[in-house]
Amino acid sequence: QVQLVESGGGVVQPGRSLRLSCAASGFTFSSYGMHWVRQAPGKGLEWVAVISDNGSTKYYADSVKGRFTISRDNSKNTLFLQMNSLRAEDTAVYYCAKDRLGIFAYWGQGTLVTVSS
Amino acid sequence: EIVMTQSPATLSVSPGERATLSCRASQSVSRNLAWYQQKPGQAPRLLISGASTRATGIPARFSGSGSGTEFTLTISSLQSEDFAVYYCQQYNNWPPGTFGQGTKVEIK
Repeated sequence: QVQLVESGGGVVQPGRSLRLSCAASGFTFSSYGMHWVRQAPGKGLEWVAVISDNGSTKYYADSVKGRFTISRDNSKNTLFLQMNSLRAEDTAVYYCAKDRLGIFAYWGQGTLVTVSS
Repeated sequence: EIVMTQSPATLSVSPGERATLSCRASQSVSRNLAWYQQKPGQAPRLLISGASTRATGIPARFSGSGSGTEFTLTISSLQSEDFAVYYCQQYNNWPPGTFGQGTKVEIK
């Protein structure tokens, strides 16, 4: 079955960087686009970024454009999110999700990122 | 960007009763509308896509309807495990795949 396991979250100071990972299994990773979606504490869901199956196409939410970079390693079935210049408002649980034509078909359990001095 | 608006923000329902949740899009999204369920401390789970097609393993008491700008999620007879937050999401114009702000279904 599809399994997505995020890691890399933690507490980081404003302005610093963090790299999240999402290990995928149970499906042909290289055949699917992948997303990052985040949820601030007590708030709703916010789409962050998407990457195509071969990594050639990427899109970002305006709120993270220029600061976050989505990437993938299909040889290792792993999705990444490089987060630079972190702000307090980036504090959230970050989920990776398997794409199905714009639908978030499967979700990982999430990893918490806290940006605080 | 398409704005998704859900109502009500909170719905108080007794077990066994019907729950009706609404989702409105700021412009037509055809039938490219999904519903997700999120329980406390858990990741969201896909319930319905294409406005009315249940995802694998989703019980028949969950049904979706609508097209264009108006959508409804109905839970025909609420079970204890259905008390959660429900989000709608449009994928007609994406990215971004915009979400509604959520409806919390709580025990009355």
